Amino acid sequence: DADVTQTPRNRITKTGKRIMLECSQTKGHDRMYWYRQDPGLGLRLIYYSFDVKDINKGEISDGYSVSRQAQAKFSLSLESAIPNQTALYFCATSKEGSGRRNEQFFGPGTRLTVL
Amino acid sequence: AQSVTQPDIHITVSEGASLELRCNYSYGATPYLFWYVQSPGQGLQLLLKYFSGDTLVQGIKGFEAEFKRSQSSFNLRKPSVHWSDAAEYFCAVVYNYGQNFVFGPGTRLSVLP
Repeated sequence: DADVTQTPRNRITKTGKRIMLECSQTKGHDRMYWYRQDPGLGLRLIYYSFDVKDINKGEISDGYSVSRQAQAKFSLSLESAIPNQTALYFCATSKEGSGRRNEQFFGPGTRLTVL
Repeated sequence: AQSVTQPDIHITVSEGASLELRCNYSYGATPYLFWYVQSPGQGLQLLLKYFSGDTLVQGIKGFEAEFKRSQSSFNLRKPSVHWSDAAEYFCAVVYNYGQNFVFGPGTRLSVLP
């Protein structure tokens, strides 16, 4: 079984709809992250969480919100989806305590299309 | 602002040829550097990482990378490319004591038979 799972894997929705992307991990890591990937831009950080009570905005948090329901679960919501949020979304985890050495482990991605 | 650049958007090589993917970073202190690979339809997989010590690091799948402080570079190399290496490759740097990864824009590798 995969250590970091994302649901759904693919989603097509319409402008204005509320969408939730979910991420679960069995690695026992404290830190979780949400990124979006766009062609030519690499991965950009949306939100990150270092534990259940810690939520931080990343580079491009506008239009998104997150919820850390448990150590193992980190959800990303688009309150009112717009077409330029069409992208590939990745969840990642890392282990606390290693400082700058933290390696991030990625889920398989969710491809979101907003029409 | 800290940044990571990968000058080559797309590279095409023949199977069996050597490969070098370039990565440059801007950061004042000693960086922690990573290379990830993303195969079509897949998530990102870590190829190798540099924290300290020997500046030539070995990774999985026959890849290696060399950290050159004077050039602010961390280029990825492979002596003989296989068709299965066709993928997108991302260089990443960890800043701010592990709080933030910054990824480069990626280099797409195509392999000709």
